[in-house]
Amino acid sequence: AQSVSQHNHHVILSEAASLELGCNYSYGGTVNLFWYVQYPGQHLQLLLKYFSGDPLVKGIKGFEAEFIKSKFSFNLRKPSVQWSDTAEYFCAVNARGNNRLAFGKGNQVVVIP
Amino acid sequence: GAVVSQHPSWVICKSGTSVKIECRSLDFQATTMFWYRQFPKQSLMLMATSNEGSKATYEQGVEKDKFLINHASLTLSTLTVTSAHPEDSSFYICSARDLGGGRSYEQYFGPGTRLTVT
Repeated sequence: AQSVSQHNHHVILSEAASLELGCNYSYGGTVNLFWYVQYPGQHLQLLLKYFSGDPLVKGIKGFEAEFIKSKFSFNLRKPSVQWSDTAEYFCAVNARGNNRLAFGKGNQVVVIP
Repeated sequence: GAVVSQHPSWVICKSGTSVKIECRSLDFQATTMFWYRQFPKQSLMLMATSNEGSKATYEQGVEKDKFLINHASLTLSTLTVTSAHPEDSSFYICSARDLGGGRSYEQYFGPGTRLTVT
């Protein structure tokens, strides 16, 4: 079964700082990769996804993620964060052909104005 | 598009009673829905996969007789927590897969249901 690791559960940074959240998964086969965001009091929303093709994926609100197959990683980045990016971010993986999504433990990101 | 709703958004019940939570896909059909449980400051844990017209598939360690799932139509799945106990208090989230339009691997999440058992 696939598993997902996210480190640095709590991240605090100032506006305009750059953000990078790490995501590593353990599964040897072909995977689909996702980053979801959960704003305070709201439901999970898809930030971006990777199925195939260009390993550098651009999502909504200026986020991007890079799939590095050799490192089993799918790190999320944003060059300049805003206060409104305060949220919890979850990395998720599913093995191709498998319904089930495995989630990481999430990163609680707080952006200080 | 691709909106998933849940009802109720929160519920308080007494120990020993049963609670039903509904999950609906509002603008698409979902042959597969998923039920997750989220503990405070923790990740989402998949409980079961709900398949329209057939039995749900439960994850290891999830009691199928306690968490009854019914996927009666292409837009509705229900989770019934039977004989609820305080340890069942949690945030329950459903998601649905939209198999149309090339979005087959994407899941859309509902807003969640906060269950508190007293």
